[in-house]
Amino acid sequence: AQTVTQSQPEMSVQEAETVTLSCTYDTSESDYYLFWYKQPPSRQMILVIRQEAYKQQNATENRFSVNFQKAAKSFSLKISDSQLGDAAMYFCAYRKTSYDKVIFGPGTSLSVIP
Amino acid sequence: NAGVTQTPKFRVLKTGQSMTLLCAQDMNHEYMYWYRQDPGMGLRLIHYSVGEGTTAKGEVPDGYNVSRLKKQNFLLGLESAAPSQTSVYFCASSYSLFAGGQETQYFGPGTRLLVL
Repeated sequence: AQTVTQSQPEMSVQEAETVTLSCTYDTSESDYYLFWYKQPPSRQMILVIRQEAYKQQNATENRFSVNFQKAAKSFSLKISDSQLGDAAMYFCAYRKTSYDKVIFGPGTSLSVIP
Repeated sequence: NAGVTQTPKFRVLKTGQSMTLLCAQDMNHEYMYWYRQDPGMGLRLIHYSVGEGTTAKGEVPDGYNVSRLKKQNFLLGLESAAPSQTSVYFCASSYSLFAGGQETQYFGPGTRLLVL
């Protein structure tokens, strides 16, 4: 069975600095999708970035980028120039290509210090 | 577009009471999902639907029932609420994979349920 692990329950970063959130996953599939979702205090889940396993190039969305290491089954999220609005719970998630069920990690709570 | 909406936003139930949570989406998505979120456990899939009139069990289906009578609505029912069902419930929707749709799920704002 697939699992997603986030080993950092809480992280903090100084405003304007860079922070990296870790995620590892376990799967026997060769083709799949990985996601990072952000959940601010409003509780709505917001997609931050996604990565297709068959793509070697790391995905980037503005200040957010990932470091996808397929062999190591690692998928970390880097937030550059952190802003106060980045404070939220961040969830790493996995989904097999052929089945639309998403498996979420336990989440990392990110605080941004002014 | 409103996206995915959920009602109610918050509810308190007594043990044994029943209730229905409503999820609605206006994006013409085929797939809809119900998750529960508990501290330290991320989101867990309760039930999902791959189209109007279909439902399937997820990871934690016990104690819940669902119905998808209309494509845009997905109802989650608790027939006899228990304190273990105290949680935050999220609905989500996505395009069908088989229609070449995106891999992204769109989430509602959540419903906080407290069972006493």
